[in-house]
Amino acid sequence: NAGVTQTPKFQVLKTGQSMTLQCAQDMNHEYMSWYRQDPGMGLRLIHYSVGAGITDQGEVPNGYNVSRSTTEDFPLRLLSAAPSQTSVYFCASSYGGTGATEAFFGQGTRLTVV
Amino acid sequence: AQTVTQSQPEMSVQEAETVTLSCTYDTSESNYYLFWYKQPPSRQMILVIRQEAYKQQNATENRFSVNFQKAAKSFSLKISDSQLGDTAMYFCAFIYSGAGSYQLTFGKGTKLSVIP
Repeated sequence: NAGVTQTPKFQVLKTGQSMTLQCAQDMNHEYMSWYRQDPGMGLRLIHYSVGAGITDQGEVPNGYNVSRSTTEDFPLRLLSAAPSQTSVYFCASSYGGTGATEAFFGQGTRLTVV
Repeated sequence: AQTVTQSQPEMSVQEAETVTLSCTYDTSESNYYLFWYKQPPSRQMILVIRQEAYKQQNATENRFSVNFQKAAKSFSLKISDSQLGDTAMYFCAFIYSGAGSYQLTFGKGTKLSVIP
């Protein structure tokens, strides 16, 4: 049982480059989300999805794009990387999104933009 | 909007002792969930304990228990018999339980060190 799998675990980008952070879950969860973690800031919601084909913005969506073509996958795209996007990124999934069921987190991706 | 405040950036405790981590939150909602997550150096986010706001009884999970004071909007975590493996960042988090609410709001975290 893999749970939530994020790839890559580490990435260094140059300013202006684009990339996709991958997230996959094998628990048939409808709800998936992306958070970023910055020092002294806790985790902040970037985008979320309540099912295939449905996505919405969170607290800090600028500079990121998402899509949800299948229940299992929820990739996060950085369109033109900026140093301000240096952070640790977490993908999470749950059966429902309201806290009644546990959210499972991936192991995170540490992204550095130089 | 909800806010979660953890006023202790760092704490330390002797092994086998008890420590309490503080969390306060601000919301106008009456139905919600509160959580404590543990993040060890491996970076993995691990759910420690969950509290449903409509339940007056404080949640417990083995050595972990909470003191939930709804009127005071306080949600502290007590760790008994601290172990070296408890060394981690601890995050308090809130989520509204109504329809259409999907955002976990996190505090800034408390770094706990267990000293042998």
